[in-house]
Amino acid sequence: RKEVEQDPGPFNVPEGATVAFNCTYSNSASQSFFWYRQDCRKEPKLLMSVYSSGNEDGRFTAQLNRASQYISLLIRDSKLSDSATYLCAVRSGGYQKVTFGTGTKLQVIP
Amino acid sequence: NAGVTQTPKFRVLKTGQSMTLLCAQDMNHEYMYWYRQDPGMGLRLIHYSVGEGTTAKGEVPDGYNVSRLKKQNFLLGLESAAPSQTSVYFCASSYRAGQETQYFGPGTRLLVL
Repeated sequence: RKEVEQDPGPFNVPEGATVAFNCTYSNSASQSFFWYRQDCRKEPKLLMSVYSSGNEDGRFTAQLNRASQYISLLIRDSKLSDSATYLCAVRSGGYQKVTFGTGTKLQVIP
Repeated sequence: NAGVTQTPKFRVLKTGQSMTLLCAQDMNHEYMYWYRQDPGMGLRLIHYSVGEGTTAKGEVPDGYNVSRLKKQNFLLGLESAAPSQTSVYFCASSYRAGQETQYFGPGTRLLVL
């Protein structure tokens, strides 16, 4: 089983739709969780960290479910500019050990 | 404030040739990383450094060497390039403690023929 797994998609959604992605992790001792956004042929950029209590940033909501070992990202009112690949990242063990998922591709359609 | 920069942006090598990829950051970060990204494989850590003068192996270190002689620079070397090293290479950096966000450079696309 991979340490961090994501559905590669693509998720094709119309503008204005709500879409959710999940990311599962295998190490129950994982400590920190993140969502990164990566545009085509660009570098990953941090979208948001995921806290135990969940967190929201505008149209984006991230949640952590430790019991089932997954994190989620919810995007409301999708915009064309949200089209990108969304990578989850999980820190386990030492500070430097961050494992990235392979990403979920989102395409928002007019 | 340029953040993390990488040179070159693109390179074509022949099998057996060597090259060095340069990563520079101006954020005074202690930690620096080299990743490779391949389709379907995600980002895989090659080597990392927790401070000037230190390096350590990541998930896929074979065929690569690194050096961190200055805090702001992290070099990735390919001594004898192989087609399997065709990839996009990203450098990243982060603060030592507390903040774990990794800031990525724009990437280097390497094609080994």
